[in-house]
Amino acid sequence: AQSVTQLGSHVSVSEGALVLLRCNYSSSVPPYLFWYVQYPNQGLQLLLKYTSAATLVKGINGFEAEFKKSETSFHLTKPSAHMSDAAEYFCAVTPPGAGSYQLTFGKGTKLSVIP
Amino acid sequence: DAGVIQSPRHEVTEMGQEVTLRCKPISGHDYLFWYRQTMMRGLELLIYFNNNVPIDDSGMPEDRFSAKMPNASFSTLKIQPSEPRDSAVYFCASSLAGADTDTQYFGPGTRLTVL
Repeated sequence: AQSVTQLGSHVSVSEGALVLLRCNYSSSVPPYLFWYVQYPNQGLQLLLKYTSAATLVKGINGFEAEFKKSETSFHLTKPSAHMSDAAEYFCAVTPPGAGSYQLTFGKGTKLSVIP
Repeated sequence: DAGVIQSPRHEVTEMGQEVTLRCKPISGHDYLFWYRQTMMRGLELLIYFNNNVPIDDSGMPEDRFSAKMPNASFSTLKIQPSEPRDSAVYFCASSLAGADTDTQYFGPGTRLTVL
């Protein structure tokens, strides 16, 4: 069975600083990977997804993530944090061919941005 | 499109009462998912439907939980009787099809508190 581990349940960065949210996966085959964001009192929204087309994936709001098979990682980055980035971020995984209904979410990382 | 619509947004009830949560998926989406989010367990898939038919309900915690989808535009999640440990945020999501690269679109959630 596939799983994801998000290192750090809380991350704080200063406004303008680099954002790095870590996600490592466990899967018998290279999976498809997703990052979702949840703003306070809202549902989850897709930021980006890796579907094997390219290892560096660019998403909305200036975020990107790089799939590294050798490190079984899919870390989310943004060069410069904005106050509006404060939210909870979820990494999710599904094995290819399993269907989107096999999506397994990590526990989430809450990002705080300090002015 | 209005996105996935859930009602109510907040529900406070007493132990033993019946609770019904409602969801309207995005028009044209064939898959509907119900998730539960808690601090302890994170985001868990409870059940999902394809073309109004329940496909996998293995995530439903107990017989007290039931879900229906009488038509393509409406689904309910019912808890009867409710217990304090059912307190959580319940999300409904829908996707266009069941491909593993398909994006799931989440509703804003229903925050359930059982006293």
